[in-house]
Amino acid sequence: NAGVTQTPKFRVLKTGQSMTLLCAQDMNHEYMSWYRQDPGMGLRLIHYSVGAGITDQGEVPNGYNVSRSTTEDFPLRLLSAAPSQTSVYFCASSRPTRDRRGSEAFFGQGTRLTVV
Amino acid sequence: GENVEQHPSTLSVQEGDSAVIKCTYSDSASNYFPWYKQELGKRPQLIIDIRSNVGEKKDQRIAVTLNKTAKHFSLHITETQPEDSAVYFCAASVRRGNKLVFGAGTILRVKS
Repeated sequence: NAGVTQTPKFRVLKTGQSMTLLCAQDMNHEYMSWYRQDPGMGLRLIHYSVGAGITDQGEVPNGYNVSRSTTEDFPLRLLSAAPSQTSVYFCASSRPTRDRRGSEAFFGQGTRLTVV
Repeated sequence: GENVEQHPSTLSVQEGDSAVIKCTYSDSASNYFPWYKQELGKRPQLIIDIRSNVGEKKDQRIAVTLNKTAKHFSLHITETQPEDSAVYFCAASVRRGNKLVFGAGTILRVKS
């Protein structure tokens, strides 16, 4: 049981390049999400998915696309990288808490992306 | 949409002292408030949560309080230890934990 696996861990991109950040979970969670973490700004939601075939925008979706063809995978695509997208990206999948009154998010190890 | 503010941004305490981190939220429909701890270079992990129908919840040295009327909630850590040093994030959700909105984080340093 690997949990949430993100690849790659580090990447340097040139402005205008595109890339896909991969995220896979083996816990059969329906809900998955992508966050970016910037100093002093916490974790900001980019896109999320409540199940296979369903995605929606979060707080900061511009410049990013997602798809959810399977329960396990939730890739994040940068269409044309910009320096403002330099950040640490976290993928998460969520399951209901024991009392089923909330959800616990399980995060991947993060991808540190630098756009030059 | 929901907005979560978190204070202070940094907090230094002596080992053994208590630490308190406060958050306010804007959406009165929010009903779930988790706290995550992120150690240096690691991923965030859930440490405690509270629902809107509960005023306080404790788990050993950590506790969370919620004032639904004032729309603020707090994390209390007693008898702090060096391993409590980390970044702590509060969050709020109107969907039982899905679509979390996070605060900006608090860097807690416990000095021994």
